Amino acid sequence: EVQLLESGGGLVQPGESLRLSCAASGFTFNNFAISWVRQAPGQGLEWVSAITGSGHSTNYVDSVRGRFTISRDNSKNTYLQMNTLRAEDTAVYYCVRHNGQNGGCLDFWGQGTLVTVSS
Amino acid sequence: EIVLTQSPGTLSLSPGERATLSCRASQSVTGRYLAWYQQKPGQAPRLLIYGASGRATGIPDRFSGSGSGTDFTLTISRLEPEDFAVYYCHQYGTSPLTFGPGTEVDI
Repeated sequence: EVQLLESGGGLVQPGESLRLSCAASGFTFNNFAISWVRQAPGQGLEWVSAITGSGHSTNYVDSVRGRFTISRDNSKNTYLQMNTLRAEDTAVYYCVRHNGQNGGCLDFWGQGTLVTVSS
Repeated sequence: EIVLTQSPGTLSLSPGERATLSCRASQSVTGRYLAWYQQKPGQAPRLLIYGASGRATGIPDRFSGSGSGTDFTLTISRLEPEDFAVYYCHQYGTSPLTFGPGTEVDI
């Protein structure tokens, strides 16, 4: 069974940093790209960042490029390092598997972790 | 960036009725890389349709997708009580990946 378990969310002040983690199980990790998708309270979905199965290629939405960094390791973990956080980054962050090594649709979603940026 | 527009914003129907949800893209969606997701309150989204018309594993056949280019449709042939939720369309063919604002199907 495919499982994605996020952790690392919490309350931080504007300008601070946070690192989200996503532990994957139930599939051959290196064969699938992973994305982070966020959802602000009461709002829709926004794609944030993606990393290919090999880890060699990454991509970001413009609003986080230069502040967020996505990475993955050989222990089936994916990370989102979030620096210089802003109030508008407040959201539930979902770790999501693509159905291919370099992209594809988002076929399995974690349950999400809440990030709140507030003073 | 491909902007996705969904209509209507809210669809008020009864169990047993047919639901037709629309998703329009600001430019052609590459390779019909268009998906539909269902989200219930407090839950993560769930993949329903990929490639515009492919049904994801375990999705009942009352859900169907169609369309190409800039116009796509999700149809629920006969609404069941568990189908009342928010539905998002999503294009994954062009970066940045984008989502529509959602259509709420309620009773």
